Amino acid sequence: ETGVTQSPTHLIKTRGQQVTLRCSSQSGHNTVSWYQQALGQGPQFIFQYYREEENGRGNFPPRFSGLQFPNYSSELNVNALELDDSALYLCASSNGPFYEQYFGPGTRLTVT
Amino acid sequence: AQSVTQLDSQVPVFEEAPVELRCNYSSSVSVYLFWYVQYPNQGLQLLLKYLSGSTLVESINGFEAEFNKSQTSFHLRKPSVHISDTAEYFCAVSADNSGNTPLVFGKGTRLSVIA
Repeated sequence: ETGVTQSPTHLIKTRGQQVTLRCSSQSGHNTVSWYQQALGQGPQFIFQYYREEENGRGNFPPRFSGLQFPNYSSELNVNALELDDSALYLCASSNGPFYEQYFGPGTRLTVT
Repeated sequence: AQSVTQLDSQVPVFEEAPVELRCNYSSSVSVYLFWYVQYPNQGLQLLLKYLSGSTLVESINGFEAEFNKSQTSFHLRKPSVHISDTAEYFCAVSADNSGNTPLVFGKGTRLSVIA
């Protein structure tokens, strides 16, 4: 059974640029949730995708957007990057919305 | 809305000593409570959870947590820690298990076990 994987592991971008992060869910899981973990903070919920539809969103601006594909993998897109977007981005998959979530290792984004 | 307070940002403890990591939550509705552990350069792993039933829940590696509704707490304990327990621990709350509310995390407690 393959766990949750994320790519890339690390990423450095410049303020104003756009970035796409990718997540492959665990086998059999149809739901993907994205979290932002700033340095020294706990993860904060960005949004969740269930069967290719957005199923809940946290307090993040519209420049944070996402997709879920028919194979249940997912992308997180961030436009117009700001310095405060520097964080570890975690993806979690589950077998249903907000059921027990299994986390990937994260993508560390640095915005300069 | 729910919130979680982890009262200690860092907890140093000697190997084989007991430890308690404190977690208090705020919610106007019934909650589900979780502890996650994050080892360096890794994602979060579920350590234990309280959904209903017995207020004392245990993990396979010796940790336990007790749900105390009157004190709105869910403290994590281990009677004897090992070097390998060094990690960041996050307490989280969800308002229900119906699939409609996300996890709300505390800021984390860094447990450092000293040899």
